[in-house]
Amino acid sequence: EIVLTQSPGTLSLSPGERATLSCRASQSVIHNYLAWYQQKPGQAPRLLIYDASSRATGIPDRFSGRGSGTDFTLTISRLEPEDFAVYYCQQYGSSRALTFGGGTKVEIK
Amino acid sequence: QVQLVESGGGVVQPGRSLRLSCAASGFTFSRYGMHWVRQAPGKGLEWVAVIWYDGSDKYYSDSVRGRFTISRDNSKNTLYVQMNSLRAEDTAVYYCARDHTSSWSRLDYWGQGILVTVSS
Repeated sequence: EIVLTQSPGTLSLSPGERATLSCRASQSVIHNYLAWYQQKPGQAPRLLIYDASSRATGIPDRFSGRGSGTDFTLTISRLEPEDFAVYYCQQYGSSRALTFGGGTKVEIK
Repeated sequence: QVQLVESGGGVVQPGRSLRLSCAASGFTFSRYGMHWVRQAPGKGLEWVAVIWYDGSDKYYSDSVRGRFTISRDNSKNTLYVQMNSLRAEDTAVYYCARDHTSSWSRLDYWGQGILVTVSS
């Protein structure tokens, strides 16, 4: 099973600042099959990024993903008030199990 | 528009069984893989199980394999998970989610979730 480790656990930033979230895999993610999700309190997760760097439908371009192999990054270029939430990475390259990272909470400083 | 609506949750005693359902609408259900994902209170997301578009393949997380069974009825546009031998650690909000493909990849639509509480 591929283990995904997200860091930091919590990111304290102000609106307008840049957020950089990390997701590290215990082994290489085949075809960079990695997605990012946003979850707000009391809501279901929402797909943001897939295949490491492609934005899902309707996702603003301030969200970007990059990386390959075992190291992946989600960047929010300028935080809007609605971006404060928890973010999860997920890999789907394994042939036996999907896995999620533990999450990064982006909170208002 | 795509809609996924879970039902069947509630409070159940340890060792007992429960079946969750997920009613799908707004898309051709029989063309997509479907998943169950859960989230324990205050915790992160945990993938539970996936079923291929036609039910031909199913995979489970280690934590539920042998106790949970995922299934689907494409004639009713409904996804199920039969949960047996429930434990306190199965307490969570359970989400059904649509895969972007017929098997598994990214999860592009999610239900609102249903709470399952395992407690005596």
